[in-house]
Amino acid sequence: NAGVTQTPKFQVLKTGQSMTLQCAQDMNHNSMYWYRQDPGMGLRLIYYSASEGTTDKGEVPNGYNVSRLNKREFSLRLESAAPSQTSVYFCASRPKRGSSYEQYFGPGTRLTVT
Amino acid sequence: EDQVTQSPEALRLQEGESSSLNCSYTVSGLRGLFWYRQDPGKGPEFLFTLYSAGEEKEKERLKATLTKKESFLHITAPKPEDSATYLCAVQAVSGNTPLVFGKGTRLSVIA
Repeated sequence: NAGVTQTPKFQVLKTGQSMTLQCAQDMNHNSMYWYRQDPGMGLRLIYYSASEGTTDKGEVPNGYNVSRLNKREFSLRLESAAPSQTSVYFCASRPKRGSSYEQYFGPGTRLTVT
Repeated sequence: EDQVTQSPEALRLQEGESSSLNCSYTVSGLRGLFWYRQDPGKGPEFLFTLYSAGEEKEKERLKATLTKKESFLHITAPKPEDSATYLCAVQAVSGNTPLVFGKGTRLSVIA
């Protein structure tokens, strides 16, 4: 089991460029999440997908879009990157509702927008 | 609004010097409280889930406890490899609510 994998590990963008962060899990989890982590701010939820075919906004969704491609994959897209989106992005997944509620995290993508 | 406050922000211990980290929370009905460990440059690693007041969980030198308002992560005789940031998060009972995280406690254990 690889768990939760994220690509790329590092990325540098110029303001206005677009990119997609990829996330995949091989644990057959239903729910998947995208967070950003900034110094002094903690982990903040951007979007989540409770199950395949559904997505919902989290605390800080502006400037982002998501796609739940299938049960395994959940991507995060920045359409027009801004310096304020410089951050570390984490994807997480969780087993189905009614069982364990803990989330399992990927290794992160470190994004710098210049 | 659900909130999590962790204290202290940073803690420096000598090897073998036991201590506790605090996580205070307000939530509209607690489904679960979670502790994670995060090493620099890595994603958070799940440690414990606590579901009800009075519950305790242990793993090696770590013990997590829960009351109706706070949780403690007790570290007994810590070693330098315990150095990390420890994150606390809560999930409310209502619906499929996401986790709400605290800002973490950065622990340094000096040999």
